[in-house]
Amino acid sequence: DAGVTQSPTHLIKTRGQQVTLRCSPKSGHDTVSWYQQALGQGPQFIFQYYEEEERQRGNFPDRFSGHQFPNYSSELNVNALLLGDSALYLCASSWGRLQETQYFGPGTRLLVL
Amino acid sequence: GNSVTQMEGPVTLSEEAFLTINCTYTATGYPSLFWYVQYPGEGLQLLLKATKADDKGSNKGFEATYRKETTSFHLEKGSVQVSDSAVYFCALSKAGGTSYGKLTFGQGTILTVHP
Repeated sequence: DAGVTQSPTHLIKTRGQQVTLRCSPKSGHDTVSWYQQALGQGPQFIFQYYEEEERQRGNFPDRFSGHQFPNYSSELNVNALLLGDSALYLCASSWGRLQETQYFGPGTRLLVL
Repeated sequence: GNSVTQMEGPVTLSEEAFLTINCTYTATGYPSLFWYVQYPGEGLQLLLKATKADDKGSNKGFEATYRKETTSFHLEKGSVQVSDSAVYFCALSKAGGTSYGKLTFGQGTILTVHP
């Protein structure tokens, strides 16, 4: 049973560029959430996708956008990258709209220079 | 809004010592509570959870009890091992309203266990 997978594992970009991160949920899960974890901090909620729609959003600017595909996989897009966007980006999956327990992938470490 | 506060770290212990990591929360209603562990260079792994007051979550020798009267969910282990060295995160999830399904994390506590 495959767990949550994310790609790429590491990424280096320069300020102003755009980036796309990808996530495949755990088998049987249909809800995907994205979190940003700055160095030495706890993860911060970005947004959640269910039934291909953004259901909830945290306190992140519109530069952060996402998408969920019919197979439940998801993408996180960040435009106009800032130095402060450097972080570990974590994807978590769960099942159903009443989901509570989220399972995390290994993350994508983004460095913006 | 919802928030989670963990004890200040880091925590350094000798092998076989007793571990307590304090966690308190602020939320209306009855959130679900979680402990996640993060090993160096990895994502978060669910360690244990409790979904209602007085529930005890347990896994791999770790335990935590949901205390509504003190709004706490302290993590304990009777005898730690070197392999328990990691960062531990307390988190809550509250169904309903605008925070539905969203995890709110504490700042994390670094645990180092020496042989």
